Amino acid sequence: EVQLVESGGGLVRPGGSLRLSCAASGFIFSNYAMNWVRQAPGKGPEWVSAISGSGGTTYYADSVKGRFTISRDNSKTALYLQMNSLRADDTAIYYCAKVDAPYWGEFDYWGQGTLVTVSS
Amino acid sequence: EIVLTQSPDFQSVTPKEKVTITCRASQSIGSSLHWYQQKPDQSPKLLIRYASQSISGVPSRFSGSGSGTDFTLTINSLEAADAATYYCHQSSSLPLTFGGGTKVEIK
Repeated sequence: EVQLVESGGGLVRPGGSLRLSCAASGFIFSNYAMNWVRQAPGKGPEWVSAISGSGGTTYYADSVKGRFTISRDNSKTALYLQMNSLRADDTAIYYCAKVDAPYWGEFDYWGQGTLVTVSS
Repeated sequence: EIVLTQSPDFQSVTPKEKVTITCRASQSIGSSLHWYQQKPDQSPKLLIRYASQSISGVPSRFSGSGSGTDFTLTINSLEAADAATYYCHQSSSLPLTFGGGTKVEIK
């Protein structure tokens, strides 16, 4: 059974940093691209970032480019999102999502999400 | 950026009725359109992939159609468990985008 479990969310002040983690199990982690998708309160999902199975290729939404860094450790079957220079509009539930494709595609499995609140 | 426009925003439906939700893309995306169901306090769940491909474990009353710029999600014979918000999502090109959502309420 595929399981994705996010952690690392919390309350952070504007300009601060946070590192999210996603522990994956139930599939061959290194074979699949992984993504981060966020959802602000009362809003629809917003794609944030993608990483290939090897970790060698990454993509970002313009809204986070230069501030967020996606990475993965295939030996630990873990996905990460380093978030720097956080702003109030980064407040959202952050989901890690598995993709059934080399880089991006449909999100066939989602974690339960971790809440990030950026506020002074 | 490809913009996905869903309609309607909200629909109140009686059980056993048929529900139709549309998603229009701002440019052609072939069949790279997917549908998700999200219930309150839950993460989205994949319902339909690549416009019309069914997903294992998803009830057969959910179906999708369309290609290019116009897509439809159909729920035949709505059940109480189908109360949720439905989103379309395109994976034709980056940035990946989602529609604004359609909330389906059971009367």
